[in-house]
Amino acid sequence: EDQVTQSPEALRLQEGESSSLNCSYTVSGLRGLFWYRQDPGKGPEFLFTLYSAGEEKEKERLKATLTKKESFLHITAPKPEDSATYLCAVESTGANSKLTFGKGITLSVRP
Amino acid sequence: NAGVTQTPKFQVLKTGQSMTLQCAQDMNHEYMSWYRQDPGMGLRLIHYSVGAGITDQGEVPNGYNVSRSTTEDFPLRLLSAAPSQTSVYFCASSRTGELFFGEGSRLTVL
Repeated sequence: EDQVTQSPEALRLQEGESSSLNCSYTVSGLRGLFWYRQDPGKGPEFLFTLYSAGEEKEKERLKATLTKKESFLHITAPKPEDSATYLCAVESTGANSKLTFGKGITLSVRP
Repeated sequence: NAGVTQTPKFQVLKTGQSMTLQCAQDMNHEYMSWYRQDPGMGLRLIHYSVGAGITDQGEVPNGYNVSRSTTEDFPLRLLSAAPSQTSVYFCASSRTGELFFGEGSRLTVL
């Protein structure tokens, strides 16, 4: 069974204090790993897709990386507007490909 | 630039009542899906569709029905609401893997 574990559950940072969010996964075959951002009362918003170990993608203050067992979402010099819940999901390969979400990490950035 | 539109945003039902959550997308995506999101749990797939006329069950399909008569619309029906169906429901569509989500429908069953 595919599993996705995100840690920590919650993270509080001071503005400008860089950190990383972790997404550990087990899947028989990885088709893709996705990161989403979710603001309170809103639907998740797509950030990145990673397909193979060693791949990296960046967007503004965010950089996502992927290994064979985990992905990190690095946040450099965060701002209060980066406060949100960050969701990780993995899509498995095969005929019955499916998407499994983690429980999310709630990030709070204080000014 | 509507994307995925869900209605209603909020609904309160009594146990045993039925209702339909509406979902429409204007991006011509073949894939559409319904998820529920509960505190302390990840998004869980209820039903999905890979095109008009084709639907399939996800992880938690019991108590829900779907149909897909057009590419644009994918309604979710609760036949006899139960308190366990109190949740936030998200509709999503996709063409190439990444999902585009609606704003969500918050359902409370008393």
